[in-house]
Amino acid sequence: DAGITQSPRHKVTETGTPVTLRCHQTENHRYMYWYRQDPGHGLRLIHYSYGVKDTDKGEVSDGYSVSRSKTEDFLLTLESATSSQTSVYFCAISEWGDEQPQHFGDGTRLSIL
Amino acid sequence: DQQVKQNSPSLSVQEGRISILNCDYTNSMFDYFLWYKKYPAEGPTFLISISSIKDKNEDGRFTVFLNKSAKHLSLHIVPSQPGDSAVYFCAASAIGGAQKLVFGQGTRLTINP
Repeated sequence: DAGITQSPRHKVTETGTPVTLRCHQTENHRYMYWYRQDPGHGLRLIHYSYGVKDTDKGEVSDGYSVSRSKTEDFLLTLESATSSQTSVYFCAISEWGDEQPQHFGDGTRLSIL
Repeated sequence: DQQVKQNSPSLSVQEGRISILNCDYTNSMFDYFLWYKKYPAEGPTFLISISSIKDKNEDGRFTVFLNKSAKHLSLHIVPSQPGDSAVYFCAASAIGGAQKLVFGQGTRLTINP
């Protein structure tokens, strides 16, 4: 299994509070990604990173920010959580090169009340 | 606008028979396709992939077929085993740089003894 750790695994918080999810990898892979999974939508890309301090937006980036200060860590922040951001969040990593599949962590279940 | 579609939310197959999961896409820029398997409370696990220069790729019991003219791919599992019961996602992206995967909604496969 790819060395990907997501923390926390579960979190319950209130609307309007800031939330930060962490993804840590031990594979030294270049690319890191954040997805959310909601019923009926599969997984949707929020943000991704192609190197330290290099990030870009995905399909559903509104309300989210990311940071990558080290190769191994990719943080996803909800500055002011809303109930629509209740979801399961997955981090993924991939190596540089064509046809390198993404490998996923086990997810963070986030509930915003 | 759903660029990747899995039109069957669920599929039930008898143990030992063939399971066929289908996926359609609309974006002609996609040239790399992947299948993932997901168990509850775990992250998606990479199964098999195919690039647009091929029309078939095999890995053990799993075979992926790509029909570029129809923008259709399928995953064949032969023979099906009880441990194959899971949700299967197809995903697509353009080759090169960061993979901005677009996922289908998933198909829940149940293998009956």
